[in-house]
Amino acid sequence: DADVTQTPRNRITKTGKRIMLECSQTKGHDRMYWYRQDPGLGLRLIYYSFDVKDINKGEISDGYSVSRQAQAKFSLSLESAIPNQTALYFCATSEGWNQPQHFGDGTRLSIL
Amino acid sequence: RKEVEQDPGPFNVPEGATVAFNCTYSNSASQSFFWYRQDCRKEPKLLMSVYSSGNEDGRFTAQLNRASQYISLLIRDSKLSDSATYLCVVNGGTALIFGKGTTLSVSS
Repeated sequence: DADVTQTPRNRITKTGKRIMLECSQTKGHDRMYWYRQDPGLGLRLIYYSFDVKDINKGEISDGYSVSRQAQAKFSLSLESAIPNQTALYFCATSEGWNQPQHFGDGTRLSIL
Repeated sequence: RKEVEQDPGPFNVPEGATVAFNCTYSNSASQSFFWYRQDCRKEPKLLMSVYSSGNEDGRFTAQLNRASQYISLLIRDSKLSDSATYLCVVNGGTALIFGKGTTLSVSS
């Protein structure tokens, strides 16, 4: 079983719709992250959380929001999706600030 | 200077070849360094951490030069299965910073 699970794996939706991507982990890590990946741009950090009461904006947080419902759960929302949010989204966890991150399988999101 | 910079490649090599990837980083205070591997449309996976003394894991050797802010990855005896994108990753204080990756294609 995967340690970091993302749902859904694939989603196609229309402009203006609200979308939630979910991430859950069984690794017991406090730190969780959301990234998007676009061809040629690499991984870009959207939001990160160091514990349940801590939420921080990353490099490209505009148009996104997050919720840390529990240590094991970190969800990403697009309140009103737009086509340039079409991308591959990854959730990741880590044990500490200088420790490697462990990624989920990714969510492929297409906004028409 | 970009925070983490890599030659995007692609590097096209035959099986059995030795190939080296380089990476430079801008934050001299960085303390943690990693190489990740990413297959097409899949999640990045940790390949190895990089230590100041250099470290080796089978056919893979990583080196760190703090003075020059430079990290390298050497792959010996390349296999077809090594074809992937290799991401250089540096700790940026509060989160890891990922390079855009170097693509390797190994052919028979």
